[in-house]
Amino acid sequence: GQNIDQPTEMTATEGAIVQINCTYQTSGFNGLFWYQQHAGEAPTFLSYNVLDGLEEKGRFSSFLSRSKGYSYLLLKELQMKDSASYLCAAPGGYQKVTFGTGTKLQVIP
Amino acid sequence: GEEVAQTPKHLVRGEGQKAKLYCAPIKGHSYVFWYQQVLKNEFKFLISFQNENVFDETGMPKERFSAKCLPNSPCSLEIQATKLEDSAVYFCASSLLWDTEAFFGQGTRLTVV
Repeated sequence: GQNIDQPTEMTATEGAIVQINCTYQTSGFNGLFWYQQHAGEAPTFLSYNVLDGLEEKGRFSSFLSRSKGYSYLLLKELQMKDSASYLCAAPGGYQKVTFGTGTKLQVIP
Repeated sequence: GEEVAQTPKHLVRGEGQKAKLYCAPIKGHSYVFWYQQVLKNEFKFLISFQNENVFDETGMPKERFSAKCLPNSPCSLEIQATKLEDSAVYFCASSLLWDTEAFFGQGTRLTVV
């Protein structure tokens, strides 16, 4: 089967750095996605990792360790607009994309 | 089109009524996915299509849910005899391949009263 775990909620301060973790178990592996979803809106793509290591994209970076079944999303220089849910998603065996339940991040002044 | 278009944005149905939701994927995308999002952001996979063929329907409660993606028509998700627990936001997404970046529509909020 496929299973994804991520924390339900996190709070961080404006200007700080926050790391959102995701662990996954899939029967096959075809990379790992992070999506951002603001309240009442559709998820939008943030990053995709298929190889181990860190992928940096501006203030957002995503890390993957395939041997550990682990990924994290790193958000730097937090802004109030970063308050959103962050969804980890893994395409895995049986050609199915499984989403985590999402981490609701609240950025406070 | 350049974005996934879902209609309607909001739908209210009495318990036991039928609900039909529509999704026009991005032109050129071969895969369409339907997800149900309930409280606490839980994203439940329902069904996926590769063009007009069902790709994976393991998430569908088949007794009351059905879906189609016919050529030259928007995809549709139909719920017969809606129940209160069907109240959710239904997202449609499309992608070039099944494991590439998915583009989501704005969702249809279904409220069953």
